[in-house]
Amino acid sequence: SQTIHQWPATLVQPVGSPLSLECTVEGTSNPNLYWYRQAAGRGLQLLFYSVGIGQISSEVPQNLSASRPQDRQFILSSKKLLLSDSGFYLCAWLPGLTNYGYTFGSGTRLTVV
Amino acid sequence: GIQVEQSPPDLILQEGANSTLRCNFSDSVNNLQWFHQNPWGQLINLFYIPSGTKQNGRLSATTVATERYSLLYISSSQTTDSGVYFCAVKSRGSTLGRLYFGRGTQLTVWP
Repeated sequence: SQTIHQWPATLVQPVGSPLSLECTVEGTSNPNLYWYRQAAGRGLQLLFYSVGIGQISSEVPQNLSASRPQDRQFILSSKKLLLSDSGFYLCAWLPGLTNYGYTFGSGTRLTVV
Repeated sequence: GIQVEQSPPDLILQEGANSTLRCNFSDSVNNLQWFHQNPWGQLINLFYIPSGTKQNGRLSATTVATERYSLLYISSSQTTDSGVYFCAVKSRGSTLGRLYFGRGTQLTVWP
């Protein structure tokens, strides 16, 4: 079956520290992968998307970066966290370019202190 | 990008009541999904419904693509239905699959 894993579930990091959030998908190949962030106030903002290994597109220039080292692995990183990076980070996948529904991971709640 | 508007922004119900949530979108879509965000933050996919009507237990959804709106019906609401309901769409012109989200409807169901 197709599943998506995201970790860690919660994270408290000091300002200026690095960040690495990981997302992996099982049971599929060549998925489109996405990182969203949900700040306070409910809105979901697309941060990065990837249609294949090594292919990353950024929607919003900011203190974060993403990488896709393997077909089913998507990593969100930062070299130095800011207070404004706090939020709820969600990974999502879409199987290839077909019109099936998106599936989201369980999310990582990041608090920068 | 495509605009997605959800209404109402907040809804408070007594257990057992019925409700209708609405999602309007500004362009043609080939993907529309309704999600429920539970208290732990997880987005649960309720319906993939770019057109037509679907039902799943007490929940049903209808999308009228030609008129650019979708409705989510919750019948006999329960306290466990509480949370935020999101509508999200993918524009028909998009090949990269970006989902555009509405701002959600916060549903609170009291016992």
